[in-house]
Amino acid sequence: QKEVEQDPGPLSVPEGAIVSLNCTYSNSAFQYFMWYRQYSRKGPELLMYTYSSGNKEDGRFTAQVDKSSKYISLFIRDSQPSDSATYLCAMDDMRFGAGTRLTVKP
Amino acid sequence: NAGVTQTPKFQVLKTGQSMTLQCAQDMNHEYMSWYRQDPGMGLRLIHYSVGAGITDQGEVPNGYNVSRSTTEDFPLRLLSAAPSQTSVYFCASSYARSGNTIYFGEGSWLTVV
Repeated sequence: QKEVEQDPGPLSVPEGAIVSLNCTYSNSAFQYFMWYRQYSRKGPELLMYTYSSGNKEDGRFTAQVDKSSKYISLFIRDSQPSDSATYLCAMDDMRFGAGTRLTVKP
Repeated sequence: NAGVTQTPKFQVLKTGQSMTLQCAQDMNHEYMSWYRQDPGMGLRLIHYSVGAGITDQGEVPNGYNVSRSTTEDFPLRLLSAAPSQTSVYFCASSYARSGNTIYFGEGSWLTVV
């Protein structure tokens, strides 16, 4: 079992939809949980950063951590075509999920 | 404000050739790393360094060498290129290995024929 599991998609939604992206992990010692966004032919950039459990909100983006289930989520509200990218989850020892490719259609 | 700079952006190699991917950062970060990204595999750690003179292996180190003579530079060497090393390579840096924002370079697209 990989330490970080993420459905690679691809995921296609209409503009304005709510998007839910998820990762599961196996190491209960992880404390830091991050989401990176990667546009085509670019390097990943940090989008959201969460320490331990709970929710964190930044504009249209919400990151959620459930340590009891070893499950993290990223929600995008009112999705826009500019949100089309690959989203990667990452844990505190720099382990990444496979990335989910999201396309938001106008 | 350059951040993490990688060169070259694109490279085609013949099987058996060697080459070096260059990486430099101007943020005075102690931690630097190299990843490769393949479809469906995500980012896989090749080698990393926690400071000048210190390097260690990541998840997929075979066929690659690194060195860290200065804080700023962390080159990745392919010793004898193989088609399986066709990939996109990203250099990254951060203040520390755990719990810190990772800053990535723009990527190097390598094709081995």
